[in-house]
Amino acid sequence: NAGVTQTPKFRVLKTGQSMTLLCAQDMNHEYMYWYRQDPGMGLRLIHYSVGEGTTAKGEVPDGYNVSRLKKQNFLLGLESAAPSQTSVYFCATRQNYGYTFGSGTRLTVV
Amino acid sequence: QQQVKQSPQSLIVQKGGISIINCAYENTAFDYFPWYQQFPGKGPALLIAIRPDVSEKKEGRFTISFNKSAKQFSLHIMDSQPGDSATYFCAASRGNNQAGTALIFGKGTTLSVSS
Repeated sequence: NAGVTQTPKFRVLKTGQSMTLLCAQDMNHEYMYWYRQDPGMGLRLIHYSVGEGTTAKGEVPDGYNVSRLKKQNFLLGLESAAPSQTSVYFCATRQNYGYTFGSGTRLTVV
Repeated sequence: QQQVKQSPQSLIVQKGGISIINCAYENTAFDYFPWYQQFPGKGPALLIAIRPDVSEKKEGRFTISFNKSAKQFSLHIMDSQPGDSATYFCAASRGNNQAGTALIFGKGTTLSVSS
């Protein structure tokens, strides 16, 4: 039982490149979330999904897109990376009041 | 508009002392108030949580005090240990059965417990 798995764990991108972060869960939770964490800013919600095939914007959605084609996977895409997107990205799932976080993806955009 | 305000930003406590971190919220619809602990390189992990129908919850050395009228809640760590050194986040969310409910986090407190 892996819980929430994020891949990759680390990545360095050049400005303008694109990439996709994968979040996979094996807990059959309906709700999934993408957060970014920056020093002194806490965790801010980027996008979320309330079920397969659904997505919605969070607090800081600009520059990101998401997809939830399968219930167990939630993808976060950066179409044209910018240095401002350098951050640590966390995926989370929720069942009732219980949230489970992945271990994060550290992304650096140079 | 910051919905959950956390203080202090950093805290240094002697081993065996009491660590206190405070949070204030604005949205009276919030009904779930967790505290998360995060070690470097790791994801946040749930430490303790409270619902607004109680004023205090204790789990081992960790206690949440909740003041609904003041819209404030705090984390107390008794007998603080060097292993408690981490970043702590308060959070809030509303409506377990409402689609789109998400945790809203405070900005975090870095706790250092000196031995």
